Amino acid sequence: QKEVEQNSGPLSVPEGAIASLNCTYSDRGSQSFFWYRQYSGKSPELIMFIYSNGDKEDGRFTAQLNKASQYVSLLIRDSQPSDSATYLCAVRVQGGSEKLVFGKGTKLTVNP
Amino acid sequence: KAGVTQTPRYLIKTRGQQVTLSCSPISGHRSVSWYQQTPGQGLQFLFEYFSETQRNKGNFPGRFSGRQFSNSRSEMNVSTLELGDSALYLCASSLLAWITGELFFGEGSRLTVL
Repeated sequence: QKEVEQNSGPLSVPEGAIASLNCTYSDRGSQSFFWYRQYSGKSPELIMFIYSNGDKEDGRFTAQLNKASQYVSLLIRDSQPSDSATYLCAVRVQGGSEKLVFGKGTKLTVNP
Repeated sequence: KAGVTQTPRYLIKTRGQQVTLSCSPISGHRSVSWYQQTPGQGLQFLFEYFSETQRNKGNFPGRFSGRQFSNSRSEMNVSTLELGDSALYLCASSLLAWITGELFFGEGSRLTVL
């Protein structure tokens, strides 16, 4: 089983809609979760992190964490064409060799 | 504040050769991580260095190695290159990556193996 799984997409939404990106992870002991955004041809950049169950909001972005179900999601409200990118979910995996493990990413396209 | 600098940005090698990639982290960052990114496998963790010591290592063969210098600059080396090593190699620096998870990535070194 992959440590971090994401729907590869592509996910296409109209401008102004809510984009919902999901991620599941296998390490039940994981405590820290991150969303990175990667524009085409660019390197990833951190947009949000979440440690506790529930929601965390930052502007148009909301991260949701459910440790019991082992999933984390990212909601983008009022999606803009500039949000078109690949979104990478990352989980800090513990147990021996602690490291940040990335999912393969979900490609989001926001259509004007 | 200067970002993470990786050199070279692009390189082409042939099978069997070796390659060395360099990474200069953000000033003050002592943690440097290396990732391999391919369309099929995504971002895969290679190794992480902190204060010249390898903290963590991913599931890559021994042909992949790295080191960190006292000024936090890091290099990774791939020996006996294979076609499958063609990828974007990303270096990321952090204050304390294993705590914050906030990585600052360089633009990457794109390696093509022919």
